[in-house]
Amino acid sequence: DTGVSQNPRHKITKRGQNVTFRCDPISEHNRLYWYRQTLGQGPEFLTYFQNEAQLEKSRLLSDRFSAERPKGSFSTLEIQRTEQGDSAMYLCASSFRTSGGGYEQYFGPGTRLTVT
Amino acid sequence: GEDVEQSLFLSVREGDSSVINCTYTDSSSTYLYWYKQEPGAGLQLLTYIFSNMDMKQDQRLTVLLNKKDKHLSLRIADTQTGDSAIYFCAAHGGSQGNLIFGKGTKLSVKP
Repeated sequence: DTGVSQNPRHKITKRGQNVTFRCDPISEHNRLYWYRQTLGQGPEFLTYFQNEAQLEKSRLLSDRFSAERPKGSFSTLEIQRTEQGDSAMYLCASSFRTSGGGYEQYFGPGTRLTVT
Repeated sequence: GEDVEQSLFLSVREGDSSVINCTYTDSSSTYLYWYKQEPGAGLQLLTYIFSNMDMKQDQRLTVLLNKKDKHLSLRIADTQTGDSAIYFCAAHGGSQGNLIFGKGTKLSVKP
């Protein structure tokens, strides 16, 4: 297994269009997270799944954003009616619980979204 | 909620030690993490420490945790030019599944 993968790596779209990103986590990881990172900032949490259940959503996740993880494996993040403020790097991470009780989160390379 | 703060820049000479500092606000944070991000890349997990520990060493990396002051540091021994990157401190705790990140410290290593 080579780690968390994300597709596409880059996406340029016009304002008002819908976009969808995909994340494939490390296969044995049951938790999957979405974060957004803008220039000069750390990643900000959007949402996370344990298996197929979406357990937590940030206030940042407006109703234009929806995430799914239908079979508890890969996940998709869709943004409807994109706005210029949605331009950012969208990062996916997956994690497993260690024997010590903590979670090690491993990140994918990200999808860079540019809304023109 | 939790807030994590870091200084934004650090410049060191190759071969010196680097110390990157971080403070957090939520004393219930059970795990604290350090990640490295190189330009255009995702985040690489470097190391993490459980809140009942004071120190953790992993090859050239040493993490120190002062729970009383809610202060975390990452020391990189014998810093190399390949260590130039942005380093993020992150906190995880309570019932939350997510990490709260600082803004990152940009480490520049001069030859």
